[in-house]
Amino acid sequence: AQRVTQPEKLLSVFKGAPVELKCNYSYSGSPELFWYVQYSRQRLQLLLRHISRESIKGFTADLNKGETSFHLKKPFAQEEDSAMYYCALSGRLGQKVTFGIGTKLQVIP
Amino acid sequence: KAGVTQTPRYLIKTRGQQVTLSCSPISGHRSVSWYQQTPGQGLQFLFEYFSETQRNKGNFPGRFSGRQFSNSRSEMNVSTLELGDSALYLCASSLVGTLNTEAFFGQGTRLTVV
Repeated sequence: AQRVTQPEKLLSVFKGAPVELKCNYSYSGSPELFWYVQYSRQRLQLLLRHISRESIKGFTADLNKGETSFHLKKPFAQEEDSAMYYCALSGRLGQKVTFGIGTKLQVIP
Repeated sequence: KAGVTQTPRYLIKTRGQQVTLSCSPISGHRSVSWYQQTPGQGLQFLFEYFSETQRNKGNFPGRFSGRQFSNSRSEMNVSTLELGDSALYLCASSLVGTLNTEAFFGQGTRLTVV
């Protein structure tokens, strides 16, 4: 069974402080990991995926297979980063995407 | 191009009734997935349709069903509604499937069961 765990429901940081949103997963094969973001009154949208190894809006995430983690990081939080963040996992082609429960990031000015 | 469209945006139903929600995917997308979003449970996968066939199914009771038409539009039906079915129902479409492909979400249908 595939499972995604986001241990923090709410994370509050001050503007300019580093951010780390935690995500741990359980999957028997080689997973594909994603981070989705939902800003206030907007649709859920893809932020980044591990296979692209990209930095989006200053966020990065590294897949650590040993620790089965895919934490989302940003060195300096901005107020506009305040949103709900969901970690997601999918397996082989044709398998469903499993989302974590989400972490609400609150950046305090 | 137009995004994923879900109708209606809001619904109020009473217990025991049934409801049908509609989702029009992005043109060319053949995979449509449905999710239930609640504050306590987050996003929970309901099912996925690909080329009119249900390809994956989550752990929801049989009261939750869906279908996909030849134009990739999808409907979700919930029968014998319960208070606990109150949630935001999200639909997402993607180009070919779930591996490495971005899912595009609709605005959702807010269902309230009273």
